[in-house]
Amino acid sequence: AQKITQTQPGMFVQEKEAVTLDCTYDTSDPSYGLFWYKQPSSGEMIFLIYQGSYDQQNATEGRYSLNFQKARKSANLVISASQLGDSAMYFCAMREGPGTASKLTFGTGTRLQVTL
Amino acid sequence: DTAVSQTPKYLVTQMGNDKSIKCEQNLGHDTMYWYKQDSKKFLKIMFSYNNKELIINETVPNRFSPKSPDKAHLNLHINSLELGDSAVYFCASSQEGTGVNEQFFGPGTRLTVL
Repeated sequence: AQKITQTQPGMFVQEKEAVTLDCTYDTSDPSYGLFWYKQPSSGEMIFLIYQGSYDQQNATEGRYSLNFQKARKSANLVISASQLGDSAMYFCAMREGPGTASKLTFGTGTRLQVTL
Repeated sequence: DTAVSQTPKYLVTQMGNDKSIKCEQNLGHDTMYWYKQDSKKFLKIMFSYNNKELIINETVPNRFSPKSPDKAHLNLHINSLELGDSAVYFCASSQEGTGVNEQFFGPGTRLTVL
């Protein structure tokens, strides 16, 4: 089974609208962390937001928020007020186990295109 | 100041050659990683080092040999390059502990094997 599933290969959103990028995960470890990274066309990987499995509240970072539904094992990224500069690949990733020196398992990514 | 740097940024070489990619981080982190991103943009862990010790080695052919001379450096040497090795290789670093401790990625090295 895939550990991280991103079912939307591509998404379009109009400028200034909100968009939700889906991510579901699979783990039997009670301690895990979920990350979202942005990869613009220039290629670098930019960390956006983190949600720990024991965090009670949904994470927020500026225009980014994470809709964490633990029972459904989903960690969707919500981008509010989309900007042209948000056009990029977005990757959901999971780190399993309590230690942080462990690998990230990535999903296949969603390509977001913001239009005028 | 660049946090995680990689050299070279681009590498074009012939099949059968041996090449190295260097990575350095100035964040004071104790853990470094190598990831491979294939042509479909899928990212997969290859290796991880914590305090110069190998802790993750994911079913990577033994033509790939990482070396960590110190905590700030993690180099990747590839022997007998094959066409399928063409990819973007990312170095990353993080600090072990509790909390977010996100991984910081280098700019990537695009390897093309002809």
